Amino acid sequence: DAKTTQPPSMDCAEGRAANLPCNHSTISGNEYVYWYRQIHSQGPQYIIHGLKNNETNEMASLIITEDRKSSTLILPHATLRDTAVYYCIVRVANQGAQKLVFGQGTRLTINP
Amino acid sequence: DVKVTQSSRYLVKRTGEKVFLECVQDMDHENMFWYRQDPGLGLRLIYFSYDVKMKEKGDIPEGYSVSREKKERFSLILESASTNQTSMYLCAGVTSGRPYEQYFGPGTRLTVT
Repeated sequence: DAKTTQPPSMDCAEGRAANLPCNHSTISGNEYVYWYRQIHSQGPQYIIHGLKNNETNEMASLIITEDRKSSTLILPHATLRDTAVYYCIVRVANQGAQKLVFGQGTRLTINP
Repeated sequence: DVKVTQSSRYLVKRTGEKVFLECVQDMDHENMFWYRQDPGLGLRLIYFSYDVKMKEKGDIPEGYSVSREKKERFSLILESASTNQTSMYLCAGVTSGRPYEQYFGPGTRLTVT
């Protein structure tokens, strides 16, 4: 699986958009980008995933650059409950039996 | 709502004890996983199972075994607990209908003294 690079920490004001970057310069053509988050004392939670097109769901938007070497997770209106560690993961196409390889992630703090 | 539950949130055991961590899911997950999470090391896969009675080693299986006798239950066993197995243990499940989404339980924080 391709390696990802994320900033260790970020801050964002409540109500503003939180933009979390991820670099995955060695990504292969059949690898998807996944985002999970882990709120303190809970298990990780799936947010969104994509291959090359931008994706949006009820939780967030995922913007993938045209060369697919980086992506940005956008939380459009961050709330205090969005404070968590966010993980960007790259792996081969939707295979359920495959493990997830979590890096260190980005610790996002939403400030009131 | 999808539910992956783990038998205990906190557990304290003594060195040398045999420890059972239970995970139960109610979403007909075919694939189930056991991870451990340690500061600075992220989540690491211990074992996974893709069907009843089937299991595969993950990255760090030493000192652990697993059991999956029924589809909804996946147990992690520490044969002889040691202090270096003090960790947060997380169970997860995946259904064939949504293979991209692993559902995690709340975790069990195990302390071995």
